[in-house]
Amino acid sequence: DVVLTQSPATLSVTPGERISLSCRASESVDTYLHWYQQKPNESPRLLIKYASQSISGIPSRFSGSGSGTDFTLSINGVELEDLSIYYCQQGNSLPYTFGAGTKLELK
Amino acid sequence: EVQLVETGGGLVQPGNSLKLSCATSGFTFSTAWMNWIRQTPGKRLEWLAQIEDKSNHYFISYLESVKGRFTISRDDSKSSVYLQMNNLKEEDTAIYYCTHNNYWYFDFWGPGTMVTVSS
Repeated sequence: DVVLTQSPATLSVTPGERISLSCRASESVDTYLHWYQQKPNESPRLLIKYASQSISGIPSRFSGSGSGTDFTLSINGVELEDLSIYYCQQGNSLPYTFGAGTKLELK
Repeated sequence: EVQLVETGGGLVQPGNSLKLSCATSGFTFSTAWMNWIRQTPGKRLEWLAQIEDKSNHYFISYLESVKGRFTISRDDSKSSVYLQMNNLKEEDTAIYYCTHNNYWYFDFWGPGTMVTVSS
């Protein structure tokens, strides 16, 4: 199974700053890497598909990059509403797997 | 508007069974690949099962650790997908989500249904 390692586990942020979250795969997943945001007491929401493709309705401050085994989710100008847990997920091979998540908290 | 609504969760004793249902609307269910994903109390997300559409002969895939205990099924006439869970264990305690698989990412999620396995 493909193991996805997310770092850091927790990130303390200040509104307005640019941040980057990492997701590393134990083997190549090409660009079949997707990002989700989960706010407290809500279901996960798709943020980025295929490593870098934007999703309708998602603010443009969210962007993704990477291919193979190393991926990054960036938020350009963090807002208070972005305080959530972020998960990566690979769809390259079954079983689909998720990273353990990165929690954004207020500094 | 796309909607997925899971039902059937609850408190169950170890070794017992439970069947989850997911009613959907707002998209063409008959051609959809449907999945079940769970989230543990520690917030870990775990994919469990997938059922493809009729054109793919309703092909089914499972996470190895639930194979033989969990069964996914669908009823296209009701736009619904199901998860039969047998011989439940305490480690099956989780929120269970029904999701729509759109070419290997999950674009629609239900609100989830809580399953607690405890004596």
